[in-house]
Amino acid sequence: DQQVKQNSPSLSVQEGRISILNCDYTNSMFDYFLWYKKYPAEGPTFLISISSIKDKNEDGRFTVFLNKSAKHLSLHIVPSQPGDSAVYFCAASARGTSYGKLTFGQGTILTVHP
Amino acid sequence: DTGVSQDPRHKITKRGQNVTFRCDPISEHNRLYWYRQTLGQGPEFLTYFQNEAQLEKSRLLSDRFSAERPKGSFSTLEIQRTEQGDSAMYLCASCDLGDEQFFGPGTRLTVL
Repeated sequence: DQQVKQNSPSLSVQEGRISILNCDYTNSMFDYFLWYKKYPAEGPTFLISISSIKDKNEDGRFTVFLNKSAKHLSLHIVPSQPGDSAVYFCAASARGTSYGKLTFGQGTILTVHP
Repeated sequence: DTGVSQDPRHKITKRGQNVTFRCDPISEHNRLYWYRQTLGQGPEFLTYFQNEAQLEKSRLLSDRFSAERPKGSFSTLEIQRTEQGDSAMYLCASCDLGDEQFFGPGTRLTVL
């Protein structure tokens, strides 16, 4: 059962424009959500996170929005830069029950064109 | 902070052989996780250590897989009698009191 889904396998954006990556989840026990970026031949790198008590968290060019009623979160990157081109993974954890293990989506390949 | 390191980075083995991977977490991180990632998928949880205690194992971790963290520092993941389906990237992550896990570069296993 795919508890975390990223339905867009890829996204192509022009440099300077906004990139919006989406993620849906099904497990109501998830209460913490993270976005990771992954370059080829490297491990995932933590980008930004959000607790279920919030609906928005911002860090520089990156903003994560959480809609608990829809079980949906999104990552906005503004402005997008060519160096942002990578695979982006959404992840979720149920902190009270699962020792913090992360459940990942399948990933979205972001390509930012100069 | 030197980051999470994993060794080897690549391993090619023949079916039926045993392999062992090592993970060195960020020092003072008492929580350590192993994940497996196959092509086109996100990482999948395998097992979790808090200090030297293995507290959770995924059903993905068959009896051919064993993991240890003997002194609460580095960890090893051993796969016995490897199968072609074991070919994947094996990722290690560590964290302290927070929720953000820091990943190593992974060990890519190819079983021929």
